[in-house]
Amino acid sequence: TQLLEQSPQFLSIQEGENLTVYCNSSSVFSSLQWYRQEPGEGPVLLVTVVTGGEVKKLKRLTFQFGDARKDSSLHITAAQPGDTGLYLCAGAGTGGFKTIFGAGTRLFVKA
Amino acid sequence: KAGVTQTPRYLIKTRGQQVTLSCSPISGHRSVSWYQQTPGQGLQFLFEYFSETQRNKGNFPGRFSGRQFSNSRSEMNVSTLELGDSALYLCASSPFQTASYGYTFGSGTRLTVV
Repeated sequence: TQLLEQSPQFLSIQEGENLTVYCNSSSVFSSLQWYRQEPGEGPVLLVTVVTGGEVKKLKRLTFQFGDARKDSSLHITAAQPGDTGLYLCAGAGTGGFKTIFGAGTRLFVKA
Repeated sequence: KAGVTQTPRYLIKTRGQQVTLSCSPISGHRSVSWYQQTPGQGLQFLFEYFSETQRNKGNFPGRFSGRQFSNSRSEMNVSTLELGDSALYLCASSPFQTASYGYTFGSGTRLTVV
């Protein structure tokens, strides 16, 4: 059974601080996605990483896919209150089927 | 361009009843997946459909079933509801045959079983 472990589960930081969220597995994924979810809404796709070692940047967010395609990280620089939300990583299995999700990291950025 | 539409948004049912949830994917998207989200378990995979064919099914009891129609719209049904079925049910669509490039999610149906 494929599992994705996210850490930390909860993070409360001050505006302007940097943070990193980790997503780890013993399984290889064909791709890994990061989503952000706000209360009462569905997750919104932030980025998809496909190639081992790939790094993608989205403004203050930096996403990295591990060389072996088993893990990923999300780094936020100078966090802002608008970054508050639940961050989910998701791995697509072999052939791109049956995407599984990590339990999520709940981020709270205080002004 | 309309997003993924799920109806109804909220639903209250009694134990033992059955429920049908509906999902209309983005126009042109032929892949639809369903997830159950609870505070304790996170997002758990239910089903995955492409062109009316169920490609994968998660580890849920047979009370959970689904289908996809020729217009890509999808429904899921839960029979003999239990209190533990209370959750946010999310539908997601993709234009690709694989889910490798990620999904667009609907806002979900919040099911409460009393």
